[in-house]
Order: sequence, then C-alpha cells, then structure tokens
Amino acid sequence: RKEVEQDPGPFNVPEGATVAFNCTYSNSASQSFFWYRQDCRKEPKLLMSVYSSGNEDGRFTAQLNRASQYISLLIRDSKLSDSATYLCVVMEVEYGNKLVFGAGTILRVKS
Amino acid sequence: DAGVIQSPRHEVTEMGQEVTLRCKPISGHNSLFWYRQTMMRGLELLIYFNNNVPIDDSGMPEDRFSAKMPNASFSTLKIQPSEPRDSAVYFCASSIAWGGNEQFFGPGTRLTVL
Repeated sequence: RKEVEQDPGPFNVPEGATVAFNCTYSNSASQSFFWYRQDCRKEPKLLMSVYSSGNEDGRFTAQLNRASQYISLLIRDSKLSDSATYLCVVMEVEYGNKLVFGAGTILRVKS
Repeated sequence: DAGVIQSPRHEVTEMGQEVTLRCKPISGHNSLFWYRQTMMRGLELLIYFNNNVPIDDSGMPEDRFSAKMPNASFSTLKIQPSEPRDSAVYFCASSIAWGGNEQFFGPGTRLTVL
C-alpha cells in the first residue's frame, strides 16, 4: 500500500465549477499535511498547509480528518489557471521529518 | 531574490557516462533536499542535508548515486555510471529549517540517459 494515495484523475471541469480532491495516508503518526501544486513541466510549489480545524485561502479549502487519515482540497469557482497537478503531501516525523508526496491529481479546467 | 538554482536544466548523456547535477539553495536556508520524479514512481526523496550534513540517504537507489554538500550554498548529485532507467527530472529543494517548513523547489534538471 502506498503511503499517500490520491485519485490520479484527470478531473475535467468547466470554468466556475467546484471540484474536490481526496487523499488518504497510511501512517497514523504523520504530523503535518500540505497541498502542493505542480504545473506542467514545472517544479512543485506549496499551495497551502492543512490544519485539523480546516483552513481556507480564497477559493481553496483544505480539510483534515485524522481519525480517517483523510485529507481533502476543495476548489470553488474554478479558473482556467487552476489547471495543474495537485500533490497531497504528508510529513512523517519518525523518518526525520521527511515529506512524502502522493502521485498527484490532474485537474483540467476548460472554458 | 533568487530561488533555488539548478544546473544544467537539461542533460542528455549516454549509458555509462558520469552525470553531475548541481544545486544552489536559497541563501539562509539550512536544509537541502534532492528528489527524483518519474511518471511511474512520482516524486521520490533521494537524500537530504541539514546544515550541510546528510541526514537520511535511504532514498538513494543504488551505490551509483552519491550526493555532497561541501558548503551551505552548493550541493551536487552524481550518478556514475548512468543507466537509461535513471532518466527522470531531478529536483533540488531547500527550506529554512529541517521539519515542517515550506520547501522551495528549483526548476529541475531533466536527465535523459540513452
């Protein structure tokens, strides 16, 4: 079983749509969680951290469910510029605070 | 402010040749990470350094891979001898401190081994 699992997609949505991505992680001792965004042929960049209480940044909302070991990302009012691969990332403290990346979910927003 | 700098951006080489990838982290960052990304395996951590000291190299695939960080502003990842299955994008990333801080990635080196 992979440490971080994501639906690879692609998710093809029209502009203005709301889309949700899910991610599960296997290590219950994981401490910190993030969503990174990677554009085609570019490097990954931090989109947002994920907190237990849930957090929002503009059109983006991230949620964490520790009991179910589940992380989500909701994007409202999708823009063409949101098209990218979204990487779910988990920090594993017992392995020296290393980040473990999911394989990514591809989002394509179309006009 | 310059981000993480990597060179070369593209490298095409023949099987058996030595390949050296270079990275300059963001000034003031104490942690440096080398990753490899392929379609099959996604983004994998190869090795990381804290204050120029290698902390965990368990992700280094084989003895053909080695990494050094002689000072706070420079790191290399070397593959000797290279093989076609080493073809991937190699990213270097740095962060202010070891832990849950944001990692800033360089643009990557796209390596093709023929």
